[in-house]
Amino acid sequence: NAGVMQNPRHLVRRRGQEARLRCSPMKGHSHVYWYRQLPEEGLKFMVYLQKENIIDESGMPKERFSAEFPKEGPSILRIQQVVRGDSAAYFCASSPGPRDNSPLHFGNGTRLTVT
Amino acid sequence: GQNIDQPTEMTATEGAIVQINCTYQTSGFNGLFWYQQHAGEAPTFLSYNVLDGLEEKGRFSSFLSRSKGYSYLLLKELQMKDSASYLCAVRANSGNTPLVFGKGTRLSVIA
Repeated sequence: NAGVMQNPRHLVRRRGQEARLRCSPMKGHSHVYWYRQLPEEGLKFMVYLQKENIIDESGMPKERFSAEFPKEGPSILRIQQVVRGDSAAYFCASSPGPRDNSPLHFGNGTRLTVT
Repeated sequence: GQNIDQPTEMTATEGAIVQINCTYQTSGFNGLFWYQQHAGEAPTFLSYNVLDGLEEKGRFSSFLSRSKGYSYLLLKELQMKDSASYLCAVRANSGNTPLVFGKGTRLSVIA
């Protein structure tokens, strides 16, 4: 499968625990984006990364949330000390080089439930 | 700020044509994208418009008017499998920058 791979598909955490969401972009893509989606809401941009660099994190909460895209391995979205309001579907997308007409290719998402 | 508006829900009959509208007010404009999302699945790319006019791709067409900040997605010969959410998104800045999404339009196709 050459598409964007996210894991796990479902993640359950108790309040106060940490959640780690992984994303492997499509082969040949070096740009990764994380979005959050709540029921009946649109996709909300969180963070945009290239290999080893955060390009835009304007949509990511300043506290408890962090993201990385190391030289080797998948991109990781990390949520520390989760709260009930963090329950959502988190989608990762990737794209190739910087062109205006490059669509984002999305993974199947990770559904985080905080109990 | 960025604002993208779409109707929340629409219903149409199998075999018919449906038009889903999208209006946008964004700080800049470098292209408009339409995506389809079935419940519990990934959004999938449908179309891209950057110049005014109609882009046709099989049963799906997308139209853009930059002066009006307006786009629509036209679905012809509707099938039951077209029941899904349709997301309008704008790339406000140049280059490979993030897309800003509307809340999506949930389309139900009925027999």
